[in-house]
Amino acid sequence: DAKTTQPTSMDCAEGRAANLPCNHSTISGNEYVYWYRQIHSQGPQYIIHGLKNNETNEMASLIITEDRKSSTLILPHATLRDTAVYYCIVRAYFGNEKLTFGTGTRLTIIP
Amino acid sequence: ETGVTQTPRHLVMGMTNKKSLKCEQHLGHNAMYWYKQSAKKPLELMFVYSLEERVENNSVPSRFSPECPNSSHLFLHLHTLQPEDSALYLCASSLLVGEKLFFGSGTQLSVL
Repeated sequence: DAKTTQPTSMDCAEGRAANLPCNHSTISGNEYVYWYRQIHSQGPQYIIHGLKNNETNEMASLIITEDRKSSTLILPHATLRDTAVYYCIVRAYFGNEKLTFGTGTRLTIIP
Repeated sequence: ETGVTQTPRHLVMGMTNKKSLKCEQHLGHNAMYWYKQSAKKPLELMFVYSLEERVENNSVPSRFSPECPNSSHLFLHLHTLQPEDSALYLCASSLLVGEKLFFGSGTQLSVL
């Protein structure tokens, strides 16, 4: 069963903020939300993760709703190099539970 | 540069060949992984190693044989593959099993 639901594709204008939504309505209390992205023909790249508080790093911001049933990844000033498939994943922080990648959102940055 | 290096970058092999994929990580991590990514399909976890011991094997056919001689190196030995095994094979590592993953660039494998 898929733990997350993401739109199949999105477009965003270069220089604007890209907001990528993810629904994870069955998330449990010990599960974190992780975001990775995969640029064409490369391995996935870790972006950010969070539990319940909003998080920000040099790449992006992660906004998690208070009920934790959804989240949004924000790329504040999208560039053409941000064109990629973005994966939202939920899993417990420790343990042998495998990291399951879904089909993700294909984000295209438009010049 | 992620600190995880995979070789070769591309590989073409016949169904009767034997070849090996190599992965090396320079991050001091204790866990290493093999993933398979077929065209237009999600990544599939194949094998997980923790401190050189295999901790997960997701019903992968025996024609794929992993080897982890130490915590920095991981191999995937291939023999008598099928055309449907053509895919991007990705290696990843993490400090401990379950923590954030660092991926290599992958080996694009074509089986003829």
